[in-house]
Amino acid sequence: DVKVTQSSRYLVKRTGEKVFLECVQDMDHENMFWYRQDPGLGLRLIYFSYDVKMKEKGDIPEGYSVSREKKERFSLILESASTNQTSMYLCASREGAGGNTIYFGEGSWLTVV
Amino acid sequence: AQTVTQSQPEMSVQEAETVTLSCTYDTSESDYYLFWYKQPPSRQMILVIRQEAYKQQNATENRFSVNFQKAAKSFSLKISDSQLGDAAMYFCAYRSTNPNSGGSNYKLTFGKGTLLTVNP
Repeated sequence: DVKVTQSSRYLVKRTGEKVFLECVQDMDHENMFWYRQDPGLGLRLIYFSYDVKMKEKGDIPEGYSVSREKKERFSLILESASTNQTSMYLCASREGAGGNTIYFGEGSWLTVV
Repeated sequence: AQTVTQSQPEMSVQEAETVTLSCTYDTSESDYYLFWYKQPPSRQMILVIRQEAYKQQNATENRFSVNFQKAAKSFSLKISDSQLGDAAMYFCAYRSTNPNSGGSNYKLTFGKGTLLTVNP
């Protein structure tokens, strides 16, 4: 089975802190994604990466950056956390060309106080 | 840009009954994929069913089936013989297959979700 692991399930951070959310997948997938999930808004794409060191902005990239130094790891970075970034963050991965199914991690609940 | 609309924020069904969740989408493309994902309270999002737009036959996975109406841009999910374990948030999603779509062929665009409650 494909496994997408988000290292932190629950985090509480202070406004202005730098926050790292880590995601690792074990199936050699080329594509990785970070989504944000909020009630009534569904899932919105923050950033995605189609290969190592390659990244593309999604629909709501403001206030976030990402890093993909190794194929299996995709990190989401909040340079200066704000209260409006309190949310559930979902990481996902997918095979490259021809692969259709996206596999999700269990999510990271981030609260910014 | 593609959009996905789920008009039912919440639905409920009696155990063993059948329920249909609605989804419509907007696109100018002719080839794409549509998905239904399930997110139970544990939060792990899992794929329920997938439909390729070029296929006329509706996809089926055990108790789950879709009614894909391409011209109407409608993609509803039918759950037969509902079970307590079906209770979850259900998301409809769209993905382009066009490699020249500015990255849209990589990402899923989701609807806002429908919360399904199954009553014993």
